Amino acid sequence: AQSVTQPDIHITVSEGASLELRCNYSYGATPYLFWYVQSPGQGLQLLLKYFSGDTLVQGIKGFEAEFKRSQSSFNLRKPSVHWSDAAEYFCAVGAAGGSYIPTFGRGTSLIVHP
Amino acid sequence: GAVVSQHPSWVICKSGTSVKIECRSLDFQATTMFWYRQFPKQSLMLMATSNEGSKATYEQGVEKDKFLINHASLTLSTLTVTSAHPEDSSFYICSATLAGAYNEQFFGPGTRLTVL
Repeated sequence: AQSVTQPDIHITVSEGASLELRCNYSYGATPYLFWYVQSPGQGLQLLLKYFSGDTLVQGIKGFEAEFKRSQSSFNLRKPSVHWSDAAEYFCAVGAAGGSYIPTFGRGTSLIVHP
Repeated sequence: GAVVSQHPSWVICKSGTSVKIECRSLDFQATTMFWYRQFPKQSLMLMATSNEGSKATYEQGVEKDKFLINHASLTLSTLTVTSAHPEDSSFYICSATLAGAYNEQFFGPGTRLTVL
């Protein structure tokens, strides 16, 4: 079974600073990887996904993530954080091919200081 | 495109009553819908997978008689919390996948249930 670890419960950054949210996964085969963002009291919005191909994935809102198979990681990055990026971020891993159900990490809460 | 709605967005009910939450795919047909439960400051926990026209598949530990799921059409799934108790208070989120494409879920905005 797959699993996801987001080691940071909270991350605090200043507006304009760079951001990296960590995600490590455990899965025996090729994973499908996702990053979602959740604003308070809202559902989840997909930021980006990796299925295959280029390991550097570009997403919405200026986010990107890099799949590193050797490190079993899929860290989310943004070069310059905006105050509106404050939210909960979830990494998820799914099984490649066929019907799948993703497993979510526990989430990382991003706090942005002005 | 790929918009999922939930109704109601929040509901408060008395202990012992039943509450129905609707999940609709507004602009696509969803053969599969998922129901999640999220406790404060925690991740999403999958409750059940719902396929149109068939019985839902519940995750281990989820009481199927308490959380009734109906997926009567390709655009609507409902979750009914029967005889709700305060411990059922939670944030319930549904998601849907496009017909024939299981690789991405589109999430609804969630429903906040508070049982008094």
